[in-house]
Amino acid sequence: NAGVTQTPKFRVLKTGQSMTLLCAQDMNHEYMYWYRQDPGMGLRLIHYSVGEGTTAKGEVPDGYNVSRLKKQNFLLGLESAAPSQTSVYFCASTSEGHNEQFFGPGTRLTVL
Amino acid sequence: GDSVTQMEGPVTLSEEAFLTINCTYTATGYPSLFWYVQYPGEGLQLLLKATKADDKGSNKGFEATYRKETTSFHLEKGSVQVSDSAVYFCALSGGPLFSGGYNKLIFGAGTRLAVHP
Repeated sequence: NAGVTQTPKFRVLKTGQSMTLLCAQDMNHEYMYWYRQDPGMGLRLIHYSVGEGTTAKGEVPDGYNVSRLKKQNFLLGLESAAPSQTSVYFCASTSEGHNEQFFGPGTRLTVL
Repeated sequence: GDSVTQMEGPVTLSEEAFLTINCTYTATGYPSLFWYVQYPGEGLQLLLKATKADDKGSNKGFEATYRKETTSFHLEKGSVQVSDSAVYFCALSGGPLFSGGYNKLIFGAGTRLAVHP
């Protein structure tokens, strides 16, 4: 099992560009999450999904969109990147009835 | 709302020293509590957890006890190694686990531990 994987690992964007981060999990988990990690702030929840075809806003959703067309994939989109979105992005997943989350290796995004 | 507060780092120790990283929380109901560890360049890994008051989580020589009376979940290790150098996150699960819930995790800011030989 690969667990939770994320692509790409690194990306540099210019202000106003768009991109999509892909998260994939092979554990048949129902719940998936996108977090951002900033120095001194821990991890903050951007969006989450409780199942295929469903998404919901987390703590810091502005400037991001998500889609969960397949159970194993959770996509995070930035339509018009801003320097404030420079961060490390982590995807996580878990199964219903469990509260331990499994994390991907992260994507380091820099917006110039 | 629910929150987690951790001691600020970095914590710098010599090998074989005793480690304590403080964590306190504010939550309604009865959350589960976690310690996650992040090694350089990697994602977060669950280190240990406790699901009810007075439970002790343990793993790899690390321990933490869920203290409801003091709303704390301090991480301890008797003898740290250089390989323990990482960032440690305390977290609580503040959402319902079952149908309609989303197993929300709330994280502290993280504490960086540096262990030198």
